[in-house]
Amino acid sequence: SQQGEEDPQALSIQEGENATMNCSYKTSINNLQWYRQNSGRGLVHLILIRSNEREKHSGRLRVTLDTSKKSSSLLITASRAADTASYFCATDATNDMRFGAGTRLTVKP
Amino acid sequence: DTAVSQTPKYLVTQMGNDKSIKCEQNLGHDTMYWYKQDSKKFLKIMFSYNNKELIINETVPNRFSPKSPDKAHLNLHINSLELGDSAVYFCASSPGRQTQYFGPGTRLLVL
Repeated sequence: SQQGEEDPQALSIQEGENATMNCSYKTSINNLQWYRQNSGRGLVHLILIRSNEREKHSGRLRVTLDTSKKSSSLLITASRAADTASYFCATDATNDMRFGAGTRLTVKP
Repeated sequence: DTAVSQTPKYLVTQMGNDKSIKCEQNLGHDTMYWYKQDSKKFLKIMFSYNNKELIINETVPNRFSPKSPDKAHLNLHINSLELGDSAVYFCASSPGRQTQYFGPGTRLLVL
């Protein structure tokens, strides 16, 4: 079964707008990671947030983690057409790494 | 330089055949993985392996077997291919249980 579940499944916005994607999971985790996948390519790591962290930033990316709600969000600010891709959250529990089904983000120029 | 490479990129084969997909990483990582991504884009871990331990996802049929000739390689061998095996297979590596670096994927089509 899938551990992380992203919401929404698809998101379409205009360039310059912010994009927010959410991830919910079911079990206790060591860390949560967000990855990006361009069409037809492998996944690329974006950011890792540990279970004892609540927020992390990397450039235009902001990730939050709420372990009490077992949820995380990825915010992309000032989106660009080049941000168009699928975004996956991955939860790392002991001996168990699971990915969600992804959010398909389309940024229109 | 490619960090994680897979061959072949595309693989079209008949049902019942046996095939292998190769994976190599030049990052010096201890742990390597195989994932299957189906048509709905669900990404499911199949195996994780380091020089000490092989962890198998219990839902993976025993027709699938990882083979590691050395630390830098983890090949995936598939026996008696079935139509449902059609998917994109990704290899990945990581320095322990941290960030994973993915290969470009192998698109397998079983006819």
